[in-house]
Amino acid sequence: QKEVEQDPGPLSVPEGAIVSLNCTYSNSAFQYFMWYRQYSRKGPELLMYTYSSGNKEDGRFTAQVDKSSKYISLFIRDSQPSDSATYLCAMTPIPNTGNQFYFGTGTSLTVIP
Amino acid sequence: DTGVSQNPRHKITKRGQNVTFRCDPISEHNRLYWYRQTLGQGPEFLTYFQNEAQLEKSRLLSDRFSAERPKGSFSTLEIQRTEQGDSAMYLCASSLYGLGQPEAFFGQGTRLTVV
Repeated sequence: QKEVEQDPGPLSVPEGAIVSLNCTYSNSAFQYFMWYRQYSRKGPELLMYTYSSGNKEDGRFTAQVDKSSKYISLFIRDSQPSDSATYLCAMTPIPNTGNQFYFGTGTSLTVIP
Repeated sequence: DTGVSQNPRHKITKRGQNVTFRCDPISEHNRLYWYRQTLGQGPEFLTYFQNEAQLEKSRLLSDRFSAERPKGSFSTLEIQRTEQGDSAMYLCASSLYGLGQPEAFFGQGTRLTVV
């Protein structure tokens, strides 16, 4: 079993839709959770990070963490064609003991104008 | 540009040749990571440095792979005797460890094609 599971999609939505992207994980030591956006043939770009459980909002993006369920989500409101990309979740343990980042496989999103 | 810089962006090499990639991290970052990404997959951890010390290597990192960060600044990743299975995007990332800011920032990657 992989440590981080993410539905690869592809996901196709009309412009203006609310998008929900999700990851599950198995390691209860994970404390920091990150979402990256990756355009084709580019490096991942950090969108948001959250610590432990709870919600965090940044513009049209909201990240949620439910540690009891080992489940994290990224919501995109009022989706735009420019949001078309692959979205990667990543996580790592408590900073003082953490080392590498564990990634999901990425979900491919297309927003149709 | 103060982001993570990787060179070259693209490299095509013949099987059996050696290749070397360079990564220049964000200047104040003390941790530097190398990841490999193949099509349709998330990045896979290869190795990381804290300052000049290489603290962990993945079992994915065969003895044909070697990484250095000689002065705790830039890093190089060398692949010897390349194989077609080495074709991938090689990503470098850096972070500031120790101040509760674990998030990693990635470069644009080096795309390696072994023919």
